[in-house]
Amino acid sequence: NAGVMQNPRHLVRRRGQEARLRCSPMKGHSHVYWYRQLPEEGLKFMVYLQKENIIDESGMPKERFSAEFPKEGPSILRIQQVVRGDSAAYFCASSVVGGELFFGEGSRLTVL
Amino acid sequence: GQQVMQIPQYQHVQEGEDFTTYCNSSTTLSNIQWYKQRPGGHPVFLIQLVKSGEVKKQKRLTFQFGEAKKNSSLHITATQTTDVGTYFCAGRRNTGFQKLVFGTGTRLLVSP
Repeated sequence: NAGVMQNPRHLVRRRGQEARLRCSPMKGHSHVYWYRQLPEEGLKFMVYLQKENIIDESGMPKERFSAEFPKEGPSILRIQQVVRGDSAAYFCASSVVGGELFFGEGSRLTVL
Repeated sequence: GQQVMQIPQYQHVQEGEDFTTYCNSSTTLSNIQWYKQRPGGHPVFLIQLVKSGEVKKQKRLTFQFGEAKKNSSLHITATQTTDVGTYFCAGRRNTGFQKLVFGTGTRLLVSP
């Protein structure tokens, strides 16, 4: 049973470009979370999704950031017009409703 | 919004010494989870506590959930170098479709 798969593991973008981060949840999990982590800091909640539905996006910046979890395929976190401050590790986690979170290995975004 | 604080932020101990991290939530929680993140790694689930006053043990680790379900602690007896990492608590306000909010984390360094 494969764990949570994130890709790419590392992504380098220039300012103004778009970044797309993908997350495939564990088999049987219909809930996906995205968290952002800066070096030596904690996990900042961004968005909580169920298939085809955003449950809570209170942690997402209003502009440039969007997330989806379609009926088929992985969850996507999309950052448009990236800026240097977007450089961070982005962790995806999946769960059953109310359960423990299983994390992917993260996608590390560097904006030049 | 819901905030979860942990103290201390950082602790450096000698191998064999004990270690405790404390977790405090601004709101009552339905349950609390603990995760460990090794340097360069991703968070890994350790345990979940649900009942008021609950105490659970995993070998040298003891987890406690406060009577008011607003605080929790993790105690490690006789630390080992393999305990190095950042320990996060995480809580939900209610059961069901609720985001999991992570604490600020306590970074543990163990010297041999």
